[in-house]
Amino acid sequence: DAKTTQPTSMDCAEGRAANLPCNHSTISGNEYVYWYRQIHSQGPQYIIHGLKNNETNEMASLIITEDRKSSTLILPHATLRDTAVYYCIVRTPFTGGGNKLTFGTGTQLKVEL
Amino acid sequence: EAGVVQSPRYKIIEKKQPVAFWCNPISGHNTLYWYLQNLGQGPELLIRYENEEAVDDSQLPKDRFSAERLKGVDSTLKIQPAELGDSAVYLCASSWGALVNTGELFFGEGSRLTVL
Repeated sequence: DAKTTQPTSMDCAEGRAANLPCNHSTISGNEYVYWYRQIHSQGPQYIIHGLKNNETNEMASLIITEDRKSSTLILPHATLRDTAVYYCIVRTPFTGGGNKLTFGTGTQLKVEL
Repeated sequence: EAGVVQSPRYKIIEKKQPVAFWCNPISGHNTLYWYLQNLGQGPELLIRYENEEAVDDSQLPKDRFSAERLKGVDSTLKIQPAELGDSAVYLCASSWGALVNTGELFFGEGSRLTVL
């Protein structure tokens, strides 16, 4: 399975952009990059995913490098409610069909006043 | 729309006792997953169901863990007997079509198990 590497923790001031990096140097050409986050005592929540192009939705932007070996999740105006563990995941195929998401340990983002 | 519902949210038992967790996925989602999350770690897949069939259970410790999804909707995960090391959060998730196309997993809030 393609492995991802993320910093263990990051801090961000409220109102500023939070840029969360992720390395996935062994990613294959047809494997998607997904981002989830997990707020304390809740289940993981989907944020965004992409293949090659940059993506944006109401929660965040995803920037994928041209060689696809790394990506950055951007929360444009972080708030205290964005404090969570952020997981960068490469979606890989199940043997026998379908795809799976294999979670690592993620980045603990702390947004402070 | 209701999300993935899990119960109980919290369970405290003594070792060697049995325990069961229940999950109701999002309506229409044919794929259901059980994940295990240890403290400070990301979720790890235990088992995946396509409708009522367990299609990937390679990570499920079959000596003490069992799961079922009899009618292809609700699912239960059972541990018997529980051990101290089973203390963790058990997460249920569902999706349409095992992410064959682009899609997402929807997670429940999890069931936190403490084994004393």
